[in-house]
Amino acid sequence: DAGITQSPRHKVTETGTPVTLRCHQTENHRYMYWYRQDPGHGLRLIHYSYGVKDTDKGEVSDGYSVSRSKTEDFLLTLESATSSQTSVYFCAIRGSADNQPQHFGDGTRLSIL
Amino acid sequence: AQSVTQLGSHVSVSEGALVLLRCNYSSSVPPYLFWYVQYPNQGLQLLLKYTSAATLVKGINGFEAEFKKSETSFHLTKPSAHMSDAAEYFCAVSDRTGTASKLTFGTGTRLQVTL
Repeated sequence: DAGITQSPRHKVTETGTPVTLRCHQTENHRYMYWYRQDPGHGLRLIHYSYGVKDTDKGEVSDGYSVSRSKTEDFLLTLESATSSQTSVYFCAIRGSADNQPQHFGDGTRLSIL
Repeated sequence: AQSVTQLGSHVSVSEGALVLLRCNYSSSVPPYLFWYVQYPNQGLQLLLKYTSAATLVKGINGFEAEFKKSETSFHLTKPSAHMSDAAEYFCAVSDRTGTASKLTFGTGTRLQVTL
């Protein structure tokens, strides 16, 4: 398995609270991605990173921010969580060649009450 | 912009029967295409990929897919289904542009295998 660890694996929190999810990789890959998975939508890209301190928005970035201060860590923050952000969040990594596939972590199940 | 359509959100087959999961894509550039499988409460695992070499691609667990440019399709097949194949399957296309070759996923097909 690709060396990707997501933490926490499960979290329940209340509307309006800040939440940070962590993705840690041991592969030294350049590219990292955050997705959310919802029934009927497949996976949708939230944000991605192409290097330390280099990030960009994906398809569904509103309400989310990211940071990457080290190659191995990519953080996803919900500044003020809303119930619509209840979802399963996946981190993925990819090597430098664009024909390489993305490899996924095991996900974080986030419930916002 | 690219898009992926997976026809059939649920597919049911008998054990030993042919598995056919459909994927059609649109892309403004020659695509890279991927199939992933997701078992309950797990992340996505790569089954196979097409990156402009052979059009018939073989993957893990006996699955294969054929890239057909004229039909803009990349259907996934397996000759004989096994109970352990029950899972959700996602097709994805890479945009091959910009800095990160972002993936666009289909909405998934849940495969049920019955005795």
